[in-house]
Amino acid sequence: ETGVTQTPRHLVMGMTNKKSLKCEQHLGHNAMYWYKQSAKKPLELMFVYNFKEQTENNSVPSRFSPECPNSSHLFLHLHTLQPEDSALYLCASSRLGGASYNEQFFGPGTRLTVL
Amino acid sequence: GENVEQHPSTLSVQEGDSAVIKCTYSDSASNYFPWYKQELGKRPQLIIDIRSNVGEKKDQRIAVTLNKTAKHFSLHITETQPEDSAVYFCAATSSSNTGKLIFGQGTTLQVKP
Repeated sequence: ETGVTQTPRHLVMGMTNKKSLKCEQHLGHNAMYWYKQSAKKPLELMFVYNFKEQTENNSVPSRFSPECPNSSHLFLHLHTLQPEDSALYLCASSRLGGASYNEQFFGPGTRLTVL
Repeated sequence: GENVEQHPSTLSVQEGDSAVIKCTYSDSASNYFPWYKQELGKRPQLIIDIRSNVGEKKDQRIAVTLNKTAKHFSLHITETQPEDSAVYFCAATSSSNTGKLIFGQGTTLQVKP
């Protein structure tokens, strides 16, 4: 157990549905990340949060809406997705500053299928 | 822009042989270079990393070397075993100071028994 959990582990949704992915880290980290992993782009960074403030948005379509209420929790709200959005969504966290800075720990991912 | 190139994309070796995966990065300000191993259906796991103040680091059968002048770093696995079969990703820090990592495209390593 790396200390980063994600729920749900699997999600099937229609293109008109609204769903949310949840990530929680128990490592005392202050940076959190969303990645999309698919066959075409193995590890594609989507969003970066530092101290619950968004610092990076890698040109992600607005149908993906992140939320970071505190340094331990990160959500990805999904609405009107497309079949090409089907992928494994990985959350990660790290500590900014200190001896172990930049070491990112990944959650187990949510396997998303959009019908 | 920021970029990390990783080669080869696939690598097949016989059990007991060595495997080498190479990465090149573009941002001269990068100062941290981790390697992740991702087994099928599992999350990426950090296996070794190196910071810019050293040229080589070793941990049992795996080692990483860094050439800052050439902006190259490599993963070396000796005495490979079937359980080493996985996808390996290299990464480099971004100068953005947000903790962001730039990942390579991944190498699928197959170790044949």
